[in-house]
Amino acid sequence: GAVVSQHPSWVICKSGTSVKIECRSLDFQATTMFWYRQFPKQSLMLMATSNEGSKATYEQGVEKDKFLINHASLTLSTLTVTSAHPEDSSFYICSASGLADTQYFGPGTRLTVL
Amino acid sequence: GENVEQHPSTLSVQEGDSAVIKCTYSDSASNYFPWYKQELGKGPQLIIDIRSNVGEKKDQRIAVTLNKTAKHFSLHITETQPEDSAVYFCAARLDTGRRALTFGSGTRLQVQP
Repeated sequence: GAVVSQHPSWVICKSGTSVKIECRSLDFQATTMFWYRQFPKQSLMLMATSNEGSKATYEQGVEKDKFLINHASLTLSTLTVTSAHPEDSSFYICSASGLADTQYFGPGTRLTVL
Repeated sequence: GENVEQHPSTLSVQEGDSAVIKCTYSDSASNYFPWYKQELGKGPQLIIDIRSNVGEKKDQRIAVTLNKTAKHFSLHITETQPEDSAVYFCAARLDTGRRALTFGSGTRLQVQP
């Protein structure tokens, strides 16, 4: 199957700082990328959908000014958590979809905000 | 919007036995139903998917069945092995051009050796 990478795999930051997470499709062009958040022992919750070259569509309850998403190319999307607080600590997972419907997920990024 | 319910939340089987996980969805417009396996600390991995024009699909020890009339689909794992132990998620996608998946709550499968 297609490969999606995420960087970093884990990050620890101080409260009030910003953190950027990268999501890359390595062997296909991703017309759409998705960002999910997963709390321990829970399911994946969609945060936003982004299409290359256009603004992301955020799910209800997700602050667009806090979770900045950029999908600048067909192989790269970034999620920036601005002014992070301890309640933002979570497992962030991206997925990418090309011309087909299949979504391939990245390995996830564990964010811990102290 | 779409709502996907998944049962059971936990499932323990003996190695070699079969495991069945069931999901129901609410929106009849959904036409794509993937299953993902997630190991601890990792991202979900697609293991099998089915589209609404097919009633059953099989890949070695894994099979998925779909009943569009009843709006439910199931994952069947035969001859389970300890390495099958993981959390399994079902998902459904609306046929509206928006490709976001709605996930079930997950099933923690434990295969006892």
